Amino acid sequence: EAEVAQSPRYKITEKSQAVAFWCDPISGHATLYWYRQILGQGPELLVQFQDESVVDDSQLPKDRFSAERLKGVDSTLKIQPAELGDSAMYLCASSLGGGVNTEAFFGQGTRLTVV
Amino acid sequence: DAKTTQPTSMDCAEGRAANLPCNHSTISGNEYVYWYRQIHSQGPQYIIHGLKNNETNEMASLIITEDRKSSTLILPHATLRDTAVYYCIVRTDYKLSFGAGTTVTVRA
Repeated sequence: EAEVAQSPRYKITEKSQAVAFWCDPISGHATLYWYRQILGQGPELLVQFQDESVVDDSQLPKDRFSAERLKGVDSTLKIQPAELGDSAMYLCASSLGGGVNTEAFFGQGTRLTVV
Repeated sequence: DAKTTQPTSMDCAEGRAANLPCNHSTISGNEYVYWYRQIHSQGPQYIIHGLKNNETNEMASLIITEDRKSSTLILPHATLRDTAVYYCIVRTDYKLSFGAGTTVTVRA
């Protein structure tokens, strides 16, 4: 069964350091999402791509976060510099399209701890 | 997106049907109801979605009331592995906006 792949699974970094997460969506999926989930809360959308274009990054803290999907396939989310409040699960999801009748599938996430 | 209201938590017995309610009284005609679940420390798992007709797949059934103001997710034979947080989401556009969900505990 096709899956969304994310790496690393866990990451510990010191505050003020740079950190990056990678996501490989299900083959053929044009839409890719990055979510952040703070412990005890539901996931919150950070950025959405349609192919290589950003559709929505309104909730992405652009002073320190960046996301790219250069060839419209895999994607990288970067944080520089990391802050203690960035400790969370970072989830990637993909779907065939961005329509309301199209389910999105999530990866296992990257658990970030900033110390 | 229309907001949803779910119970904070619920228990159910292993082997019995689990009925998870969701209220979405402000839902609009073009908004879909989606259900996801999240087992501890894993990514959310898609369960089912629907517009106005009842839907069934290998995991669950989704019953949407005729006025579409509420829905129920039914897990026909709950197992211990169904213990998870279940999210009911009303979706207008590309976003999936998660609330706090219902923590479901299946007990032996």
